[in-house]
Amino acid sequence: GAVVSQHPSRVICKSGTSVKIECRSLDFQATTMFWYRQFPKQSLMLMATSNEGSKATYEQGVEKDKFLINHASLTLSTLTVTSAHPEDSSFYICSARDASGREETQYFGPGTRLLVL
Amino acid sequence: QKEVEQNSGPLSVPEGAIASLNCTYSDRGSQSFFWYRQYSGKSPELIMSIYSNGDKEDGRFTAQLNKASQYVSLLIRDSQPSDSATYLCAVLSGYSTLTFGKGTMLLVSP
Repeated sequence: GAVVSQHPSRVICKSGTSVKIECRSLDFQATTMFWYRQFPKQSLMLMATSNEGSKATYEQGVEKDKFLINHASLTLSTLTVTSAHPEDSSFYICSARDASGREETQYFGPGTRLLVL
Repeated sequence: QKEVEQNSGPLSVPEGAIASLNCTYSDRGSQSFFWYRQYSGKSPELIMSIYSNGDKEDGRFTAQLNKASQYVSLLIRDSQPSDSATYLCAVLSGYSTLTFGKGTMLLVSP
């Protein structure tokens, strides 16, 4: 099956610093990747849709200048949380859609747990 | 606003029983439906996808879709303790945008 990796799996940072999270599709090409955030006991909330070679589309209420997304290749998208604050602490999960697949299936990465002190 | 509704549970079933998980959605134009399993602290794992009315079976899992009633369900036969997790219903609307329900927690007791 399709494999999506994320790095790092866990990060602790000080308030005010920036954190970069990488999302890679390992065995398929992904023209579209998605970034979600999940708070404890809540469902996944889509933050943005990342398309290779173009600007990301952000969901309402998500600050594009705070959550920088770059999708430079068909296998890599990055999310940078700039000037992180404690309220940004969450579980960040990316997913990728197989560009060659006929079905609209999204495959999820293992997630990155961010703790901002 | 597109909504996907699930009973939060927990749904408790004994080992070997059938677990029935239900989901309703608001967007009549939705065409693709997915069930994901999420263990605590982990990311979602795709269990089933279904696109047309009726049943789709894969091993112990059966997904059922009724577009007229805007209803999708997941049946798990011969439930095992390892099936204990939160099950997320997801509906695809528009171009590749998944809307998730809040999930139903399933507890399978030995």
